[in-house]
Amino acid sequence: DAGVIQSPRHEVTEMGQEVTLRCKPISGHNSLFWYRQTMMRGLELLIYFNNNVPIDDSGMPEDRFSAKMPNASFSTLKIQPSEPRDSAVYFCASSLGHSNEKLFFGSGTQLSVL
Amino acid sequence: RKEVEQDPGPFNVPEGATVAFNCTYSNSASQSFFWYRQDCRKEPKLLMSVYSSGNEDGRFTAQLNRASQYISLLIRDSKLSDSATYLCVVSGYSTLTFGKGTMLLVSP
Repeated sequence: DAGVIQSPRHEVTEMGQEVTLRCKPISGHNSLFWYRQTMMRGLELLIYFNNNVPIDDSGMPEDRFSAKMPNASFSTLKIQPSEPRDSAVYFCASSLGHSNEKLFFGSGTQLSVL
Repeated sequence: RKEVEQDPGPFNVPEGATVAFNCTYSNSASQSFFWYRQDCRKEPKLLMSVYSSGNEDGRFTAQLNRASQYISLLIRDSKLSDSATYLCVVSGYSTLTFGKGTMLLVSP
């Protein structure tokens, strides 16, 4: 079975540019999560969706970040404009049911903003 | 008090050693507990769930102490391949909260 699929694996961009990260959750999973991981702060939840509806976006750093889930098999995380402090690994994860069940992670996107 | 706290390590142990990690959590209402493993430059992967009665999976044993609000992970007969960061995960008010992880380095 395919796991959570993220693209791109690596993204290098310049400050001020728009960045779009993509995620395809495991088929049949109802919840989708976007996390950011840095050495300093560890894994931080940015936003999560249940049945394609955003439930908790309190972790989204600021208005530069936005996330969408137009259907059950696709989600995007967009940063516009990007800044060097956004450099991190961004993980997408999905779970079968509600938000406190075990998560399955994608391989992540390593983002570097120069 | 941080929601989930772990000793960052690294724990350096020789092959064959037994090593234990602890993790404390602040939310007394938490119901779900997990240990995840993360290899360098990889995604976190579920190692095992932690049940109230404790559970074992091969060389790995997880324990939960609700009264003291900590969970533990014991690894027996360490292998080189056990070298990784181990993340403690606790259910929060709406989602799972991850600790920053404990790094384990197993040497020959």
